[in-house]
Amino acid sequence: GQQVMQIPQYQHVQEGEDFTTYCNSSTTLSNIQWYKQRPGGHPVFLIQLVKSGEVKKQKRLTFQFGEAKKNSSLHITATQTTDVGTYFCAGKINLGGTALIFGKGTTLSVSS
Amino acid sequence: GAGVSQSPSNKVTEKGKDVELRCDPISGHTALYWYRQRLGQGLEFLIYFQGNSAPDKSGLPSDRFSAERTGESVSTLTIQRTQQEDSAVYLCASSLRAQYTDTQYFGPGTRLTVL
Repeated sequence: GQQVMQIPQYQHVQEGEDFTTYCNSSTTLSNIQWYKQRPGGHPVFLIQLVKSGEVKKQKRLTFQFGEAKKNSSLHITATQTTDVGTYFCAGKINLGGTALIFGKGTTLSVSS
Repeated sequence: GAGVSQSPSNKVTEKGKDVELRCDPISGHTALYWYRQRLGQGLEFLIYFQGNSAPDKSGLPSDRFSAERTGESVSTLTIQRTQQEDSAVYLCASSLRAQYTDTQYFGPGTRLTVL
């Protein structure tokens, strides 16, 4: 079936370093949503991108949606220990079913 | 207002038994989703409801899994004759509508352990 791929699966950084996770689809996506799941918690919505080439920022987080609407990225500048968790992207495949397809997530660990 | 709630928070059962998991969505949310998350894995879509109808059941892994929803309220996910591979956290989410642009609000999940 249709898939949304995320890389890397795991990433460890030193506090203060930057971090990027990538989300890719083989088919065009109608939108991309990003969620964060803290250890032991449940996914919490971060942001949504809809337009081709869209870039949105939330403090140290920068989200991009590719021009072809097939990929997206989340970049965190100067990571902090509070950034620890798993980041999921989710998108709707244009011609697919009705539900969002979630990527498998990128788990970020940060050491101080 | 209250968020999405799920019960029980933890369930331990023996292989072969049936289990029922419950989800209470945010009041007024017409769409409700069930996901499964195995340890250290991503979210696996199971089923979603628009009102009390289920337009997309494509994610249900086998006929042992079923779900129903009463009106635009509570939903139950039933797993019959549980197997060890059913062990996972089962997450429920709701959104205002079933539009793909709507934010999904997740509940805390039910951790199911099948011995």
